[in-house]
Amino acid sequence: ILNVEQSPQSLHVQEGDSTNFTCSFPSSNFYALHWYRWETAKSPEALFVMTLNGDEKKKGRISATLNTKEGYSYLYIKGSQPEDSATYLCAWGTGGEKLTFGTGTRLTIIP
Amino acid sequence: DTEVTQTPKHLVMGMTNKKSLKCEQHMGHRAMYWYKQKAKKPPELMFVYSYEKLSINESVPSRFSPECPNSSLLNLHLHALQPEDSALYLCASSQEWQSNEKLFFGSGTQLSVL
Repeated sequence: ILNVEQSPQSLHVQEGDSTNFTCSFPSSNFYALHWYRWETAKSPEALFVMTLNGDEKKKGRISATLNTKEGYSYLYIKGSQPEDSATYLCAWGTGGEKLTFGTGTRLTIIP
Repeated sequence: DTEVTQTPKHLVMGMTNKKSLKCEQHMGHRAMYWYKQKAKKPPELMFVYSYEKLSINESVPSRFSPECPNSSLLNLHLHALQPEDSALYLCASSQEWQSNEKLFFGSGTQLSVL
């Protein structure tokens, strides 16, 4: 079984602090890596889709990096705000078609 | 319009009931998906429709029956479910059926089977 693992499972961060978390995936048969933000009672929302080793993407205070050779991606949030509280899911795409999701990192920002 | 709309938001059904979940998108996406998520587990793919044809059935029991009446609509018909089928059911769509296409999700149907 090829799993996607995210760490930590949950995280509490003081407002204004920066934080990061990890998505680990098998390095074989890589096609794409997705990050989604999922706020409670809302729909998961795509943050980034990355396909190339060394890719770096940025959206406001949130950025992500990708290392396909060693099978990991980092998501960074700079200057955390209460609205950043959410579950962050990553998903590994293989063979062009199938996505396998991780269990997510639940982030809580403490005002 | 970048929304995927799912109805109902909540559903409670008995094991002998028949019910349907509905999903709609008007973004012109050609791929639509059903995912199942149980608490503290990752979303698991159930079905993929590409250009209105069933392309993936991830060994889902026949008590779940998907239907894609047209390019904007996706249904999931439920019959004789078991309590272990209680979960959040998420619909998603993407421009094409490729794993480098970002998914647009609905907010899900929380299903309880009694």
